[in-house]
Amino acid sequence: EDQVTQSPEALRLQEGESSSLNCSYTVSGLRGLFWYRQDPGKGPEFLFTLYSAGEEKEKERLKATLTKKESFLHITAPKPEDSATYLCAVSVRGGSEKLVFGKGTKLTVNP
Amino acid sequence: ETGVTQTPRHLVMGMTNKKSLKCEQHLGHNAMYWYKQSAKKPLELMFVYNFKEQTENNSVPSRFSPECPNSSHLFLHLHTLQPEDSALYLCASSQEGRDTQYFGPGTRLTVL
Repeated sequence: EDQVTQSPEALRLQEGESSSLNCSYTVSGLRGLFWYRQDPGKGPEFLFTLYSAGEEKEKERLKATLTKKESFLHITAPKPEDSATYLCAVSVRGGSEKLVFGKGTKLTVNP
Repeated sequence: ETGVTQTPRHLVMGMTNKKSLKCEQHLGHNAMYWYKQSAKKPLELMFVYNFKEQTENNSVPSRFSPECPNSSHLFLHLHTLQPEDSALYLCASSQEGRDTQYFGPGTRLTVL
């Protein structure tokens, strides 16, 4: 069964304190891995898509990386406005249009 | 993502009511999706429409009835819901199946 596990469930950082969020996956064949940001009461906002091991993408203070078993979302010098829940999802090669989501990591950045 | 809009944003309904959720995408996409998001659970895919044809029904109870009249509009018709159906209902669209999905703001549904 295709599965996505995110860790930690929650993370508290001080402003400027860099850290990483983890997304490990078990799928029959990865087609793509997606990172989203979700603010309370709102829909997920698309951040990155990664397709192959070794691929990296950056956007402002965020950098996503991918290996054959997991993905990391690195947050460099975070600010309070980076506080949100970060969701990871995978699509499976040869499978349906279904995205398999993890439960998310709730990030809080204190000023 | 203003490319996908949902109405209403909040809905409170009794167990005997009938209501509908509406989703519209302005991105020129061909595929649309309904998801359910409950507290402490991952997003659950409910339905997928590709070129207006339903391609996936993820074992959703019949009290939820989707409708996709064209590739820009998607509805979720609700009737005789249960309190456990209270959740955030999210609509998403993508250029084609299996591509990056873009989400709307969601409808917060409360069933009394």
